[in-house]
Amino acid sequence: EVVMTQSPATLSVSPGGSATLSCRASQNVGNNVAWYQQKPGQSPRLLIYGASTRATDIPGGFTGSGSGTQFSLTISSLQSESFAVYYCQQYNNWPTTFGQGTKVEIK
Amino acid sequence: QVQLVESGGGVVQPGKSLRLSCAASEFTFSIYAMHWVRQAPGKGLEWVAIISFDGTNKYYADSVKGRFTISRDNSNKTLYLQMDSLRPDDTAVYYCARDGNFWSGFFDYCGQGTLVTVSS
Repeated sequence: EVVMTQSPATLSVSPGGSATLSCRASQNVGNNVAWYQQKPGQSPRLLIYGASTRATDIPGGFTGSGSGTQFSLTISSLQSESFAVYYCQQYNNWPTTFGQGTKVEIK
Repeated sequence: QVQLVESGGGVVQPGKSLRLSCAASEFTFSIYAMHWVRQAPGKGLEWVAIISFDGTNKYYADSVKGRFTISRDNSNKTLYLQMDSLRPDDTAVYYCARDGNFWSGFFDYCGQGTLVTVSS
């Protein structure tokens, strides 16, 4: 199965700052990558699919990029509601697999 | 607004069975593939199973293959997960989720989840 490796495990960012999260696939997955946000006690929320397409009602401060094996999610102007855990997912191959998550915390 | 409401979780002994349900509303359930995804306490997300819009195609994670069965009732807009031979490492919050593009593999809506605890 495809292994998705996210880095860093934790990212400390000041409110108003920006964050870039990375995700590496163990093999080529094209642009079939999604990103999710999960806050404590809540279910995952789709942010990005197709590596760079924002999901419905997702603000422009979330930007996805990459293809092949290297992907990134950039969050700009971090507000309190954006401090959460972020997961990448590949859906190019079955089984679909997730990264282990990056926690974005307040610095 | 799409709604997915899971139920059926609880505490169960190893080797026993449990059936989860997911009631869907506010969208045309019968045209979407649906997933089950789980999350062990303090851990990341793990995909469990997918079923096609009409129930004819099903895929499972290796970790549950042969023990779990996904099914659906389109007339009642309900998704199910029959879990047999449960093990302690099946302990998790189980989410039902709508596929993001009919049979893509990502999901655009999740329910709030139901907790399954497998313990003696």
